[in-house]
Amino acid sequence: ELKVEQNPLFLSMQEGKNYTIYCNYSTTSDRLYWYRQDPGKSLESLFVLLSNGAVKQEGRLMASLDTKARLSTLHITAAVHDLSATYFCAGGDLQETSGSRLTFGEGTQLTVNP
Amino acid sequence: EPEVTQTPSHQVTQMGQEVILRCVPISNHLYFYWYRQILGQKVEFLVSFYNNEISEKSEIFDDQFSVERPDGSNFTLKIRSTKLEDSAMYFCASSETTGELFFGEGSRLTVL
Repeated sequence: ELKVEQNPLFLSMQEGKNYTIYCNYSTTSDRLYWYRQDPGKSLESLFVLLSNGAVKQEGRLMASLDTKARLSTLHITAAVHDLSATYFCAGGDLQETSGSRLTFGEGTQLTVNP
Repeated sequence: EPEVTQTPSHQVTQMGQEVILRCVPISNHLYFYWYRQILGQKVEFLVSFYNNEISEKSEIFDDQFSVERPDGSNFTLKIRSTKLEDSAMYFCASSETTGELFFGEGSRLTVL
């Protein structure tokens, strides 16, 4: 059974600083996802990482995947207040007959302070 | 941009009552899901649905839960006899063959 662990669970950082959120998973997974959730809102898809060494960037966020270490990272560059949210990583295989059953991490609650 | 829509956004019900949560997935998607999130906790898989039948379900999805796709567009989650611990945000999601899930805005269920 896939287990996904994130750390840290809470992160308070100042605007302009860099930081990394880590996501470890316990067994092989076809793909690794990163989602953003604002309070009381839905899950917004940020990145889908499909292969070892995959790196994707969008604005101040960059995600990478190391399948050998079973580790994904979400790196935040020069944080701004608008990035304050909870970030979830999730893993799961794509099965032709059932789609993707995702296992989520606990989430990292990020607060960016001015 | 196509999106997954859910209704109602918030439902309050008495313990023991039946609840139906509704979802309209993205039209060309083939896989449909329900997930739930208890307040302050992580998102948990409930069930996946493909080719007009349940394809996978978690241990949370017991006999009090059921899903249906009554027509070509709607996808529903029924909770037969609600318990206090069913209070949560329920998210519908859909995906096509690439596997990327798109989530709806969620239905908040409060059981009193």
